[in-house]
Amino acid sequence: KNEVEQSPQNLTAQEGEFITINCSYSVGISALHWLQQHPGGGIVSLFMLSSGKKKHGRLIATINIQEKHSSLHITASHPRDSAVYICAVRDLGGATNKLIFGTGTLLAVQP
Amino acid sequence: DAGITQSPRHKVTETGTPVTLRCHQTENHRYMYWYRQDPGHGLRLIHYSYGVKDTDKGEVSDGYSVSRSKTEDFLLTLESATSSQTSVYFCAISDYFWGLSSPLHFGNGTRLTVT
Repeated sequence: KNEVEQSPQNLTAQEGEFITINCSYSVGISALHWLQQHPGGGIVSLFMLSSGKKKHGRLIATINIQEKHSSLHITASHPRDSAVYICAVRDLGGATNKLIFGTGTLLAVQP
Repeated sequence: DAGITQSPRHKVTETGTPVTLRCHQTENHRYMYWYRQDPGHGLRLIHYSYGVKDTDKGEVSDGYSVSRSKTEDFLLTLESATSSQTSVYFCAISDYFWGLSSPLHFGNGTRLTVT
């Protein structure tokens, strides 16, 4: 079993829909990252959080440390949001600053 | 955007040849990482560095070596490339400031094909 699990693996939405991507992990962590990767593109850091909730534009990330779960929400989705969204956790038990990555969620937003 | 550059962006090489990928940063971050990305596996850590001349292995380090002689440069070498090393390679940087970890910044990736 992977230490970081994302769901769903694939998601298709219509423009304007509210989208939720989930991340569950099984290790103790010091921080959780949400990353975005467009097809053929580089990887961009969206959020880094260790508790509570963060918001940036139409994106919201939440984390529940007790339940070892995080969600990434996209409000009023747009075709330009189509990308792979990757969850990564910084393992408390691992070497300093090492991250464990989920396999990503492929999001397609149709106009 | 964080100043992090990978070179080359694309490389095709033959089995058995040595290959070196370069990661250059202008952020003076202490931590540098090399990952490979393959379908169905997500990002996997090859090697990382926590300072000049300080490096350690990641989960998929076999067949790879690294060097960091300057803060700004982290080199990944495939001593004798194999077809299983065909992948997209990403470099990343981060640091700690006042006990808090910085976000992770990635380079644009190097697509390596071993024929």
